[in-house]
Amino acid sequence: QITLKESGPTLVKPTQTLTLTCTFSGFSLSTSGAGVAWIRQPPGKALEWLGIIYWDEDKRYSPSLKSRLTVTKGTSKNQVVLKMTNMDPVDTATYYCAHSLFGYCSGSSCATFDNWGQGLLVTVSS
Amino acid sequence: DIQLTQSPSFLSASVGDRVTITCRASQGLSTYLAWYQQKPGTAPKLLIYGISTLQSGVPSRFSGSGSGTEFTLTISSLQPEDFATYYCQQFKNFVFIFGPGTKVEIK
Repeated sequence: QITLKESGPTLVKPTQTLTLTCTFSGFSLSTSGAGVAWIRQPPGKALEWLGIIYWDEDKRYSPSLKSRLTVTKGTSKNQVVLKMTNMDPVDTATYYCAHSLFGYCSGSSCATFDNWGQGLLVTVSS
Repeated sequence: DIQLTQSPSFLSASVGDRVTITCRASQGLSTYLAWYQQKPGTAPKLLIYGISTLQSGVPSRFSGSGSGTEFTLTISSLQPEDFATYYCQQFKNFVFIFGPGTKVEIK
C-alpha cells in the first residue's frame, strides 16, 4: 500500500523560500520507473503540476515555474523535498505530493498520479 | 504550450443520468491521458489512464474514450457519490498538464 504525506510550514512570508517534504512508504524511489511529483491547488481553483523527480534523479519542472523550483531526494531514502523561491500571495495553495510511474510501467498507470498525499495548505502572507 | 479545455465547466444532473465530459487540447495529445475525481477537501483520485483504462477499484459506470485533440469521460448512470469535480490530465514532452475541471452537481 502506497502512502504519501506532505509536511512543512503552513504560513510563509512574501519573498521567502518554501521548503516542503514528502514522506512516503510502500514503494522505493530506487525502483526503475518510480517518481514523486508535486502538484498544487489554489483555493477554489484547478490543479497545477509543479515538478517531478524520477528514480534515476531525472527532474522535470513546469515551464512557467521552472526558475523558482527545485525538487530533490531527501536525506532519508523515503523522502522528497520541494523548494520554491520568492513566494508570493498568489502561491497560496494546497500542495500535494503524488506517486507516478514512467518508462517501466507497461500495463500500469504510466504518466499519471496514482497515489496522493492528503495535501498541505500553505498560506503566503505578511 | 499545450492548453487543455474542459466542457462543460459546470453541469447539473440527476441520479441515474448519463453524463459526458469533454477534454480538448490545443494540439494533438499522446495516449497519456488520464481523468481524476476530486471531492471537496480531499486529494484527487485517479479514475482512468491511457485514455480508456479503468484504475483498479473504479466502478465500471466510468469510461473514457477519444483520440487526437478530443477525449471524453462518461458516467453511464450517475450515482450520489459521483458528485464531484473532474479533471483531465495529459503528459507530453515530460510536462504534465491538467484541465480546468468540470464540477458535477446535483440537480
